[in-house]
Order: sequence, then C-alpha cells, then structure tokens
Amino acid sequence: AQKVTQAQTEISVVEKEDVTLDCVYETRDTTYYLFWYKQPPSGELVFLIRRNSFDEQNEISGRYSWNFQKSTSSFNFTITASQVVDSAVYFCALRGASGANSKLTFGKGITLSVRP
Amino acid sequence: EPEVTQTPSHQVTQMGQEVILRCVPISNHLYFYWYRQILGQKVEFLVSFYNNEISEKSEIFDDQFSVERPDGSNFTLKIRSTKLEDSAMYFCASKGNTGELFFGEGSRLTVL
Repeated sequence: AQKVTQAQTEISVVEKEDVTLDCVYETRDTTYYLFWYKQPPSGELVFLIRRNSFDEQNEISGRYSWNFQKSTSSFNFTITASQVVDSAVYFCALRGASGANSKLTFGKGITLSVRP
Repeated sequence: EPEVTQTPSHQVTQMGQEVILRCVPISNHLYFYWYRQILGQKVEFLVSFYNNEISEKSEIFDDQFSVERPDGSNFTLKIRSTKLEDSAMYFCASKGNTGELFFGEGSRLTVL
C-alpha cells in the first residue's frame, strides 16, 4: 500500500521568510514517482514537480527547491523568500510504476499562509 | 498551452438526482482519471480509465458511479442517485507519456 504523510497541517510565515513543507512517503514499489501540487484559493490543482525514484538529484526552480532523500523516504519542498501569492494548500503525492495507470496517492495537504 | 477542461464549474442538485460531470482531457493523452476532494480534505482517487475501460477504481467508486468516453473526446463521470456525502470538488485528470497528471480546474458539486 502507498501512503503519503504531510505532518504539518498549517504553516504561517511572514513574506520573505523561507519555508519548508515536509513530505514522507511509503511504498513497496522500487520505481515510483513523487509529485508536488499547489491548490490556490481558486481551487484548481497546479502541477509543480515530478521526481523519479531513481533520480535523487535535488532540483531548484526559481524560488522553489525540492530535497529528495530516498534514505529517509522524504521529498521536502522549500520556498525561498516567500510571497503572498504562495498562499495555498500544497499537496505531496506518490505514484507507483507498476502498471501504466497507477493512481496518485495524495497527502492531506499543508495550508501555507504568507502574511505581508 | 493544452489543458484539461471541466464542465460545469459548479452544480447544485437535489439528493437522489443524477449528475453528469464532463471533462475534455488533453488531446493526445491516453490515461484519464477522476478524483474528488471533500471540502477541506485531501484529494482522493476515484477511478482510472484507459483504452475505453476502467483500469482501477477505489472503494468510493461504487455502483452509483460510472464513467464513459462517449465520443473520443469527452470523459464523463455520472453519479446515478446523488447523496449528501457526494458533495465535493471533482477533478478530472489526464496523463500522457511524460507521466505527469494534468488536472482540470474541478467541478464543485453541492447536493442539497
């Protein structure tokens, strides 16, 4: 069974602070994919990143960075110099590779509030 | 940029009524999904669809639910007799060869 745990439920920061959103996952698959999605107040799910289990390189995209640590089954997301527009719910998700249609399993999400 | 589109954006219905939610996936994608999100909760998998048949479904997807792709472009979710607990945001998603799921903006269903 697959499981994604986002232990933080709500985080509030002041603009320009850095913030890290934690994600821990469980899977029996040896090959799998990890994702982060952003859900702004408007409700849609916005794809942020996909990481393959065989690629442990960390990734940086502008103010966003992701730290994938297979040894601790974690895929943490850091926003540097946060902005008010970063306020949203952030979901970490996991998909196995067994079968082309393996479903996405989501964590419960972290509500991030960035105050001016 | 290609996107998944969903209609309606919001539907209000009476308990016991049938509801059809529509989705137009990204045109060259072959894998289609429905997820739902009860207000304030996590996104839950309902069903996946490939090659004109259901490939996986969750325990939520009971006999009241059905999906079809009637015309090669639309992908629909039907709830036969809605219950109060069906009130949620329903997300359609499609996946191509790159592996990312692209979600639509969601259809909010309110059952009264």
